Amino acid sequence: DAGVTQSPTHLIKTRGQHVTLRCSPISGHKSVSWYQQVLGQGPQFIFQYYEKEERGRGNFPDRFSARQFPNYSSELNVNALLLGDSALYLCASSWGGTVDNYGYTFGSGTRLTVV
Amino acid sequence: AQSVTQLGSHVSVSEGALVLLRCNYSSSVPPYLFWYVQYPNQGLQLLLKYTSAATLVKGINGFEAEFKKSETSFHLTKPSAHMSDAAEYFCAVSDSGGSNYKLTFGKGTLLTVNP
Repeated sequence: DAGVTQSPTHLIKTRGQHVTLRCSPISGHKSVSWYQQVLGQGPQFIFQYYEKEERGRGNFPDRFSARQFPNYSSELNVNALLLGDSALYLCASSWGGTVDNYGYTFGSGTRLTVV
Repeated sequence: AQSVTQLGSHVSVSEGALVLLRCNYSSSVPPYLFWYVQYPNQGLQLLLKYTSAATLVKGINGFEAEFKKSETSFHLTKPSAHMSDAAEYFCAVSDSGGSNYKLTFGKGTLLTVNP
């Protein structure tokens, strides 16, 4: 079975540009969460979507947005990129969307570098 | 808000020695607690989780962790380190209430295993 698939694996963008990151969850999983991991830090929660609805949002500016499609895949969009947006962006999928009973499976991430 | 503190950003052990990675959480209500491992250029893999059942939790690859409410701790141990254990380890916490979809991670501990 395929795990959580993220694309692209690496990306270089210029300040001020826009970027779209994509995530395909494990088949049957209805929830997708996005995390940002800056070098040397732990991952930080950005969004969770469950059944195509936004369930929660972390402390990130409005430049960050996301959506979930009918097939449960998801996109994370970041506008007006800043140097500080350089990070590993991780996607996690879950069947039920809560960490206690269902748990999360993480993808390998997209490494975004803003220059 | 939930938080976790990982004591020691870098731990170095010899192969065959005890591994002890420390994690303390801040919560007045026992939360859900997790340990994840991250190998270079990869996503996060769940080692084990505590969800208010047994206080001693056994995970994969010979790791275990003990939940101690009196000390607000959830330290990760392994009796005998192997070279393949070299990686970064993250402790994470989740609310047990309505926000039990969001993980809050510590800053991580890099484990080095010396031959």
